[in-house]
Amino acid sequence: GAGVSQTPSNKVTEKGKYVELRCDPISGHTALYWYRQSLGQGPEFLIYFQGTGAADDSGLPNDRFFAVRPEGSVSTLKIQRTERGDSAVYLCASSSGANVLTFGAGSRLTVL
Amino acid sequence: GESVGLHLPTLSVQEGDNSIINCAYSNSASDYFIWYKQESGKGPQFIIDIRSNMDKRQGQRVTVLLNKTVKHLSLQIAATQPGDSAVYFCAENGGGSNYKLTFGKGTLLTVNP
Repeated sequence: GAGVSQTPSNKVTEKGKYVELRCDPISGHTALYWYRQSLGQGPEFLIYFQGTGAADDSGLPNDRFFAVRPEGSVSTLKIQRTERGDSAVYLCASSSGANVLTFGAGSRLTVL
Repeated sequence: GESVGLHLPTLSVQEGDNSIINCAYSNSASDYFIWYKQESGKGPQFIIDIRSNMDKRQGQRVTVLLNKTVKHLSLQIAATQPGDSAVYFCAENGGGSNYKLTFGKGTLLTVNP
């Protein structure tokens, strides 16, 4: 596609529920990244994929967070047992090689 | 810990004026810096980047200055337009990979017509 596509754009869930956030990167981009942006803050790194594998997941806050990219294109960020503190905008970005990251519009997650 | 911060959380300018957004960084290992613009409801959009072997880099209406001595970064926008109104973030790589960026809190730029 022309840009990084993220769905859903908004997700409201209840504490304790499971959520999945999807990212469709720019066609041909081998690298994919997830960042999280809390209100009034800059984005924070979560995880980086090169192809199908997670090359760096050091930013995932705990084991409730998991991400996959089974075919090296679309990625899904999965959050188990959601907590109110997980409320944020989850941004996905992709890049070609070591080039600049192109971000999507994000998925706004609200945990009630 | 190491961090990237901004001197001014908000900046209001008149249309046509030049804007300067400042950023202080504390990680001396950082060798790559980047400015992003974020409009409401959108993801960050790349503006310009600079490597530590440079002091200045120019783009279209934008200039980034890097002062490694005082660990300071600035973004200059010439002839600011209403469409420039947004939150501007500086980010650094901490000396590591360029994908693992540490972002500052952002500066809100408001351009008055």
